[in-house]
Amino acid sequence: AQSVTQPDIHITVSEGASLELRCNYSYGATPYLFWYVQSPGQGLQLLLKYFSGDTLVQGIKGFEAEFKRSQSSFNLRKPSVHWSDAAEYFCAVAALNNAGNMLTFGGGTRLMVKP
Amino acid sequence: ETGVTQSPTHLIKTRGQQVTLRCSSQSGHNTVSWYQQALGQGPQFIFQYYREEENGRGNFPPRFSGLQFPNYSSELNVNALELDDSALYLCASSSEDRFSNEQFFGPGTRLTVL
Repeated sequence: AQSVTQPDIHITVSEGASLELRCNYSYGATPYLFWYVQSPGQGLQLLLKYFSGDTLVQGIKGFEAEFKRSQSSFNLRKPSVHWSDAAEYFCAVAALNNAGNMLTFGGGTRLMVKP
Repeated sequence: ETGVTQSPTHLIKTRGQQVTLRCSSQSGHNTVSWYQQALGQGPQFIFQYYREEENGRGNFPPRFSGLQFPNYSSELNVNALELDDSALYLCASSSEDRFSNEQFFGPGTRLTVL
């Protein structure tokens, strides 16, 4: 069965600083990987996804993530954090079935941004 | 294009009661998945419906059941509510294009069991 680990429960960065959120996955086949963001009281918004091809994927809001098969990692990065990036971030891996996918999420990383 | 909507927004029930949560999928999507997100945790997959049939299930007991209707909207029913059922319940819709694979989430229903 697949699993996702996000080692950092909380991260605090200063506005304008760079950000890296860690994600490690366990999956028996080629993984389909996702990063979602959740703001308080809201649902999940997809930031980016990796299916195949280029291991560096670009997403919305200036985020990018790099798939490293050898390390079973899919870390999320942003070169310069804005105060509006404060939220909860979830990494997920998909198990495909005939209709779509079923997501397994990590426990999340809460990002706080200092002015 | 209408996004995923869920109702109600908030709900308070007592232990032992039954609850029904509703989800309208995004236009053009025929697959609906339900997730439970306990406070401070990541969402956990409950089950998925495709063309009105259950298409996959996570590690949840049978008292969690669902329906999908011909218009692809869906219901999640929980019987014999327990305190641990208190959570945010998220609905997500997707198309059957498995290589697109993007799930669009609704804002969720916050269930509190007293």
